[in-house]
Amino acid sequence: EVQLVESGGGLIQPGGSLRLSCAASGFTVSSTYMSWIRQAPGKGLEWVSIIFSDGRTFYADSVKGRFTISRDNSNNALYLQMNSLRAEDTAIYYCARALPYDTSWYYLDYWGQGTVVTVSS
Amino acid sequence: EIVLTQSPGTLSLSPGERATLSCRASQSVSSGYLAWYQQKPGQAPRLLIYGASSRATGIPDRFSGSGSGTDFTLTISRLEPEDFAVYYCQHFGSSIFTFGPGTIVDI
Repeated sequence: EVQLVESGGGLIQPGGSLRLSCAASGFTVSSTYMSWIRQAPGKGLEWVSIIFSDGRTFYADSVKGRFTISRDNSNNALYLQMNSLRAEDTAIYYCARALPYDTSWYYLDYWGQGTVVTVSS
Repeated sequence: EIVLTQSPGTLSLSPGERATLSCRASQSVSSGYLAWYQQKPGQAPRLLIYGASSRATGIPDRFSGSGSGTDFTLTISRLEPEDFAVYYCQHFGSSIFTFGPGTIVDI
């Protein structure tokens, strides 16, 4: 059974750093695409970052240069290192598995339950 | 970058009624390149439809997706009480995911 469990959220001051984790089971993180998506309070879904199976990474403009996505193959886990945090980064952060529909289009078939990040002084 | 718009913003219906949700892309997308998700309060989004019209595992057949080019539709044939939620459409292109702003289906 596929499961994704996020952790690492919390209250952090502006300018601070936080590392989110996503523990995966039922599949191998390194063999697929994995993504982070966030949802600000009362708002819609915002894509944050993706890591491809070949290790390439991509980011939303809003987090580029501040966030880093990575994975640990031995622990079968996904991470999001968040630096220089701002109030507007306050959100629920979800990790999700991306499956291919074909060679160039992907969708998100499994999501974790999310971890809450609050950036406030 | 493709922008997705969804309409209506809110759909007020009763159990047993038919719901028709629209998702429009700012430019034509390749055939099948759209997904739909359902999100209930306090829960993570759940995949309903991928490839524009394929139901995800375990999704009831009252949910159906259709469309091509720039116009896509999610139809719920007969609303059940558990279907009242927010629905998002999604595209993937140029290595990024794009979501629509969502449609609230409420009573």
